[in-house]
Order: sequence, then structure tokens, then C-alpha cells
Amino acid sequence: DTGVSQNPRHKITKRGQNVTFRCDPISEHNRLYWYRQTLGQGPEFLTYFQNEAQLEKSRLLSDRFSAERPKGSFSTLEIQRTEQGDSAMYLCASSLSGSWADIQYFGAGTRLSVL
Amino acid sequence: AQKITQTQPGMFVQEKEAVTLDCTYDTSDPSYGLFWYKQPSSGEMIFLIYQGSYDQQNATEGRYSLNFQKARKSANLVISASQLGDSAMYFCAMSSNNNDMRFGAGTRLTVKP
Repeated sequence: DTGVSQNPRHKITKRGQNVTFRCDPISEHNRLYWYRQTLGQGPEFLTYFQNEAQLEKSRLLSDRFSAERPKGSFSTLEIQRTEQGDSAMYLCASSLSGSWADIQYFGAGTRLSVL
Repeated sequence: AQKITQTQPGMFVQEKEAVTLDCTYDTSDPSYGLFWYKQPSSGEMIFLIYQGSYDQQNATEGRYSLNFQKARKSANLVISASQLGDSAMYFCAMSSNNNDMRFGAGTRLTVKP
């Protein structure tokens, strides 16, 4: 399978705990994006990487959120001190370059439930 | 600021018939791309079709076509010969030079047998 891979698919955690999600993009893609999707809404942009550089972060990405892409390949998204409002689907996407015409290919997402 | 509007929360269509899902957008950028994605209950966003702002012809991909009306800022998705497997959420999205893809709220399509 050469598509975007996300792990885990589901995560249940207690409020206050830290969680980390992983995204493996399509191998030759330079751009990697993270989105958050709440029930009944479209995905909302969180952040993106060009290779290993994090180039943009949304206002939605509070100080409790951090994302890395250390070698320009896979990426991790960590949420510290989780809150119930963090419950959502977290989607990762990748694209070949940074053009506005580039198609972003998505993974199946990680669904986070904070109890 | 960019904005994507999908005014149909839900749509029903009879199997084998065509359906149009509406999408309007707002941007001040002259260069932009419009995308449609399908999201089945499994959660994965599946790319369907793309239209560039400078494209003269409407995009088509198999049973999917995009009715692009630039002056009206609309990019409606037309699905022909609907199949039961087309039942899903459909999202319209736009990307421009700031590379921040914005999505609409989505339309839930239900195909009736």
C-alpha cells in the first residue's frame, strides 16, 4: 500500500493525558499537512511541513499541540494535557509539492476520544 | 479571506440518476484550485476531481464532472448514473497561493435503491 498511512486509527484517552499520532505520507511527497475534523464539519487546517520544515501553523494549534517531521518523511502530532474539546478526527495529507494546484492525498485519520 | 459554502446538508438521489452537489466559494486570489473529496463512513478523504481557476474547460473524471462557473464563483459537482456506493459525505475545497486548503461543511449524499 503506497497511500498515506495513519496510526493509530482510534485512540481513547483520559483528560489530562498526552497522546501522539503518526503519519506516513506517500514516499515521494514533500508536503505533509495535518487537519482536524469535528463531527458534522469539514476538515480544518492545523499545520503543514515542506520536507522537515514546519512552514505554517493555524491559530487552532494551541501551545498544547506540537508537530514534527524530523527527517522529512513521517510526521508526529502530539497533544499534551488533552481536553474533551480535543476529541475529533485528526487527518494527515501529503502532496508532491507546494503548488495550489497540487492534489492532497489523505490518510484514513486517527479518531481521538477524550473522556 | 477564503470561504467555501455548501448549502445542502443532505441530498437524496435514486440509483442510476444524476445528482448535482452545490459549492460556492469566495477568494480574492486570481490563482486557485477547486477540489471535491468523498468521505465514506470509514473516514478516509478520497480525491475525486480538480478544477484550476485558469482552466477553460470543465473537469471530468469518469462519472464525475465539475460545473465551473467562474463569474458566479461556483464549482458544482455532478455525479452521473448514481450507484449505491456513492452514498457518503462530499466536501468541496479550495486552495490558493497561501497553500491553506479550506473545506466546506459538506453534503451527505444518500443513494436510494
